Amino acid sequence: SQQGEEDPQALSIQEGENATMNCSYKTSINNLQWYRQNSGRGLVHLILIRSNEREKHSGRLRVTLDTSKKSSSLLITASRAADTASYFCATDAAPGNQFYFGTGTSLTVIP
Amino acid sequence: EAGVVQSPRYKIIEKKQPVAFWCNPISGHNTLYWYLQNLGQGPELLIRYENEEAVDDSQLPKDRFSAERLKGVDSTLKIQPAELGDSAVYLCASSIGGHRGGTQYFGPGTRLLVL
Repeated sequence: SQQGEEDPQALSIQEGENATMNCSYKTSINNLQWYRQNSGRGLVHLILIRSNEREKHSGRLRVTLDTSKKSSSLLITASRAADTASYFCATDAAPGNQFYFGTGTSLTVIP
Repeated sequence: EAGVVQSPRYKIIEKKQPVAFWCNPISGHNTLYWYLQNLGQGPELLIRYENEEAVDDSQLPKDRFSAERLKGVDSTLKIQPAELGDSAVYLCASSIGGHRGGTQYFGPGTRLLVL
């Protein structure tokens, strides 16, 4: 079972534009992570945000977390063709440390 | 540093046959995960090991799936017998100190097709 849902399911933008994808989840969490998956490859960790944090930056990535709304967003600024991939949020659910991935957002960046 | 190694990369079998997947985690990573990923979906956790102990196998269909991690390093996931619905990508990941600490490192996966 998956507790996270990404929105939108698919997103297509022009190179240089910003991409925003959202993740909603159901239970309390210890932390939330975002991963990227290129077609036919394994997942690559992008960023982790803890439940007591509200915003985190890493290069062109900005992640926000709103625990009251049980949601997170991932912003990729100045997108590049190489950012084309599927993006998944993953939650470390509390209690019990169950780990769930969301359904993913498929991002296409058009050169 | 070598990443997570999985083999085989691809496997085609007929239904009711057994199949096994192998994973070698990153050296020093005591936590190992097996995930199943269906097309267009996120990975679903099958089992998590802390060293050689299976600490979360609640999503593992135990009637046909089994896993082991002898000596707390390499791991094998087995399906016997395989069903058509088992066709998916099987991902292995490892991390230091459990997922609370953060990053899971994924292997490339084994793509299974059951005919």
